[in-house]
Amino acid sequence: QSALTQPASVSGSPGQSITISCTGTSSDVGGYNYVSWYQQHPGKAPKLMIYEVSNRPSGVSNRFSGSKSGNTASLTISGLQAEDEADYYCSSYTSSSLRVFGGGTKLTVL
Amino acid sequence: EVQLVESGGGLVQPGGSLRLSCAASGFTFSSYEMNWVRQAPGKGLEWVSYISSSGSTIYYADSVKGRFTISRDNAKNSLYLQMNSLRAEDTAVYYCARDQVLVRGVIITSTGAFDIWGQGTMVTVSS
Repeated sequence: QSALTQPASVSGSPGQSITISCTGTSSDVGGYNYVSWYQQHPGKAPKLMIYEVSNRPSGVSNRFSGSKSGNTASLTISGLQAEDEADYYCSSYTSSSLRVFGGGTKLTVL
Repeated sequence: EVQLVESGGGLVQPGGSLRLSCAASGFTFSSYEMNWVRQAPGKGLEWVSYISSSGSTIYYADSVKGRFTISRDNAKNSLYLQMNSLRAEDTAVYYCARDQVLVRGVIITSTGAFDIWGQGTMVTVSS
């Protein structure tokens, strides 16, 4: 059950776009379209932002989008805003019917 | 309002036990699969355990297998995590999280995502 690989940090200026990658294996990210993304502000519970690779729950801004290619999933945030500064985590279903998270990425809005 | 509220956290000595509870409200608890997810101080999220809606199917992360037991009482709208043989590395905020399900036509499918989270309860294992 190795954690999915995410960059430790990314940054961008307001209005710009950033992309966070999430790399796994064919036993998790590459094998299923059950990749989800979460936003977590300090001291708060995580919030679901993307499910099934690219779907947004009701109420999540369309500035957030997801995609997948092979064993790597990606979260793109366009039109960066100050409130987007947070930690972001990817998660995937695995071939063992388990779940695995990425190590998390700290997004800084400059 | 759909809500999950954890309780039962606290300070426990290494080797000790603790039972966490998660009270659900605002939705039909018995229809949903549930999970425990933890986060060590300053660290990332770690999935801990899953239980099906009926309680018949259970999975654990390797890090807690044999020491933790997940259970639920659908009559009481509650999820539990019995934690035994606690170690310092179990120190974390423990969240209960609901599995997201979607209705697509006449089919109800799980997306593998966690759509509702509690506020978390802190467990500290230290002497």
